[in-house]
Amino acid sequence: TQLLEQSPQFLSIQEGENLTVYCNSSSVFSSLQWYRQEPGEGPVLLVTVVTGGEVKKLKRLTFQFGDARKDSSLHITAAQPGDTGLYLCAGGVAGTASKLTFGTGTRLQVTL
Amino acid sequence: DTAVSQTPKYLVTQMGNDKSIKCEQNLGHDTMYWYKQDSKKFLKIMFSYNNKELIINETVPNRFSPKSPDKAHLNLHINSLELGDSAVYFCASSQFGGHYNSPLHFGNGTRLTVT
Repeated sequence: TQLLEQSPQFLSIQEGENLTVYCNSSSVFSSLQWYRQEPGEGPVLLVTVVTGGEVKKLKRLTFQFGDARKDSSLHITAAQPGDTGLYLCAGGVAGTASKLTFGTGTRLQVTL
Repeated sequence: DTAVSQTPKYLVTQMGNDKSIKCEQNLGHDTMYWYKQDSKKFLKIMFSYNNKELIINETVPNRFSPKSPDKAHLNLHINSLELGDSAVYFCASSQFGGHYNSPLHFGNGTRLTVT
């Protein structure tokens, strides 16, 4: 069974701070997606990374896929209250009929 | 226009009852899914249909039965509801079923509470 462990589980920071969320596994994934979920809503895709070592930026968010494709990180620069939410990583493996394995989640709260 | 819509948003029912959740997507996607999110926010796949054909059936009790009348609709029927079925159920769709990097588009969830 493939598992994706996210750390930290909870993070409460003040506006303007930087933070990093980690997504780790002992398994190799063909792709890694990051989603953000707000209360009462479904997860929304932020980014997909598919190449080992790949770095993608989305405004103040920087995503990296590990060289061995077993881990990923999400770095947020100068966090804002609008970044508050549940961040989920999800790994996909080629040939597994599009089944994604979701991570354990990181709940981020950014206060003024 | 809502891309993936599911109804109802909230469902409160007693143990032993039978209930259904409906889902519709207007994105033209080929693949639809049911996910269950527990109280710890862990999201786990239950079923997946590609063009009305069941392609993923995780270890889910037989009391759960999905039905896809066409590729835009995927319903979930639950028989003999138990307390442990309480969770948020999400419907999702993706454009390329079978592609490991296909992004999922989720509905806003159905919060099921079994008393």
